[in-house]
Amino acid sequence: DIQMTQSPSSLSASVGDRVAITCRASQGISNYLAWYQQKPGKVPKLLIYAASTLQSGVPSRFSGSGSGTDFTLTISSLQPEDVATYYCQKYNSAPRTFGQGTKVEIK
Amino acid sequence: QVQLVESGGGLVKPAGSLRLSCAASGFTFSDYDMNWIRQAPGKGLEWVSYISRSGRTMEYAASVKGRFTISRDNAKNSLFLQMNTLRAEDTAVYYCATALQPDFWGQGTLVAVT
Repeated sequence: DIQMTQSPSSLSASVGDRVAITCRASQGISNYLAWYQQKPGKVPKLLIYAASTLQSGVPSRFSGSGSGTDFTLTISSLQPEDVATYYCQKYNSAPRTFGQGTKVEIK
Repeated sequence: QVQLVESGGGLVKPAGSLRLSCAASGFTFSDYDMNWIRQAPGKGLEWVSYISRSGRTMEYAASVKGRFTISRDNAKNSLFLQMNTLRAEDTAVYYCATALQPDFWGQGTLVAVT
């Protein structure tokens, strides 16, 4: 099975900082990669799909890149409301594995 | 408005069974593939199972294969997860969700195996 490995597992950054989270697949998955945001006590929310397509309504400071095995979620200017845990997920076929999550906090 | 409402969770003993239901409204349920996703207390998201819009294709995580069965009734706008031979490690909040697009999630139902 394809494993999805996120890094870092947590990060702390200042408001306005550029933040990058990486997700690596153990085998190529083309661009079948989604990013989700889960705020504390809330249901997950889709941010990006097809590796780089921004979901409608998601602020443009979020962007995704990558293809094959290496992917990145970037927040161009971190805002207080971005405090959350972020997950990548491969969705082309079973198992539709999530990464282990990256917890983002404000310094 | 769009709603996914899970039910059927609760407290169950190891080796027991539960059947989760997810009632959909506010969108054309039969047009969308669906997932069950779970989250153990304080842990990350774990994909559990997938079913295609027609119900003909089902997929399972290795951790539940052979014990859980996903199904749907498009006429009743409902998704189901039959969970047998439950283990302590199945304890989690179980979410039903559309498979990627559109992005609809229920609020979850808690399953506690103890």
